[in-house]
Amino acid sequence: DAMVIQNPRYQVTQFGKPVTLSCSQTLNHNVMYWYQQKSSQAPKLLFHYYDKDFNNEADTPDNFQSRRPNTSFCFLDIRSPGLGDAAMYLCATSRASGRAGGTQYFGPGTRLTVL
Amino acid sequence: QQPVQSPQAVILREGEDAVINCSSSKALYSVHWYRQKHGEAPVFLMILLKGGEQMRHEKISASFNEKKQQSSLYLTASQLSYSGTYFCGADSGSGNTGKLIFGQGTTLQVKP
Repeated sequence: DAMVIQNPRYQVTQFGKPVTLSCSQTLNHNVMYWYQQKSSQAPKLLFHYYDKDFNNEADTPDNFQSRRPNTSFCFLDIRSPGLGDAAMYLCATSRASGRAGGTQYFGPGTRLTVL
Repeated sequence: QQPVQSPQAVILREGEDAVINCSSSKALYSVHWYRQKHGEAPVFLMILLKGGEQMRHEKISASFNEKKQQSSLYLTASQLSYSGTYFCGADSGSGNTGKLIFGQGTTLQVKP
């Protein structure tokens, strides 16, 4: 089945130790998004790729970086995780064309714990 | 600008109806509705496009008032499976990438 896969599902890291979260998709969608969701809050968009074009949200900390080496894969790098970065990280994909923003399909998420 | 959802929480008995509203201060191209159960990813329910028709997903329907920049989600004859947090996602149409800004969520609990 076509889907959005995130690995790992649970990640524990130490304060300040770099961590990479991965997302892959078999939907062949041109847009991939990374969201941060803290408990009882809405998903907050960090950045997204439209094909290879990277779009950063103005309030995304520099500590967060992303890479999209090809259509199928996207990575979220947290260079120096702080306690405040503990959250669920959601990857989503969509097929956007023209002004029509397509349905976003979410992966199961990676829950990050920072010790 | 984050859209504002109301109410923040709803408790229903099975079979009762509910309405969840989503208001934006910005002009919108579309509104997306998602439901998220605890510990799971958001699941798409429906999309309302500017100039489009009212949509329906099973016994859940939604409308989009372009003049007011407001969307409403109608849950009819609620079932236990409707429990979860409902988010509206606002697409202003800028940048053509379909990025969404989500409202703060409305938690719905359906009791037997």
